[in-house]
Amino acid sequence: QLQLQESGPGLVKPSETLSLTCSVSGGSIGSTDHYWGWIRQPPGKGLEWIGSIFYSGSTYYNPSLKNRVTISVDTSKSKNQFSLKLTSVTAADTAVYYCARFSSTWLIDYWGQGTLVAVSS
Amino acid sequence: EIVLTQSPDFQSVTPKEKVTITCRASQSIGGSLHWYQQKPDQSPKLLIKFASQSISGVPSRFSGSGSGTDFTLTINSLEAEDAATYYCHQTSTLPWTFGQGTKVEI
Repeated sequence: QLQLQESGPGLVKPSETLSLTCSVSGGSIGSTDHYWGWIRQPPGKGLEWIGSIFYSGSTYYNPSLKNRVTISVDTSKSKNQFSLKLTSVTAADTAVYYCARFSSTWLIDYWGQGTLVAVSS
Repeated sequence: EIVLTQSPDFQSVTPKEKVTITCRASQSIGGSLHWYQQKPDQSPKLLIKFASQSISGVPSRFSGSGSGTDFTLTINSLEAEDAATYYCHQTSTLPWTFGQGTKVEI
């Protein structure tokens, strides 16, 4: 059974960079049939797609965040992870951040449990 | 970007009632519309894919229909465990977008 687990700081200061990692087990990041990515949900609000990546490194970002977002795949032999970096954060970036697997047709078939990241000084 | 508008935003229902949630797209998305269920403090769960295709393990009381710009999620004979927020999601055109959610309260 595929599992995804987010990890990273739960508190980030304004103007700094938010960094999260998603560890994948029960499946390979190198799958040619799937994409991987991030979705966020501000407290009490709806879902926003942040961006996605293919194992080859091809990336797709939400234009609303494009200048601040970088998603990368960890290509180290022993790791099966991908990461999110969001620069110049503000309080508006406070949210639960989910990592997820996307099918070849882009529907989201597996989600991590989510991690709350608060932006505050 | 494609805007998805769900209605209603909130619905209070009784067990065994039939629930209908609609999702309207700002432009045609063909059949590239999916439905998710999110219970409090949980990750969303895929309920219906490509407007009307069922998902293994999802109860048969959940069904979907529609194409183009208008879509519907139907829950027949609602059960207490169906209390959740429901989201539609389009994968027709980047950026992928979600509806604002419909909260179903029992």
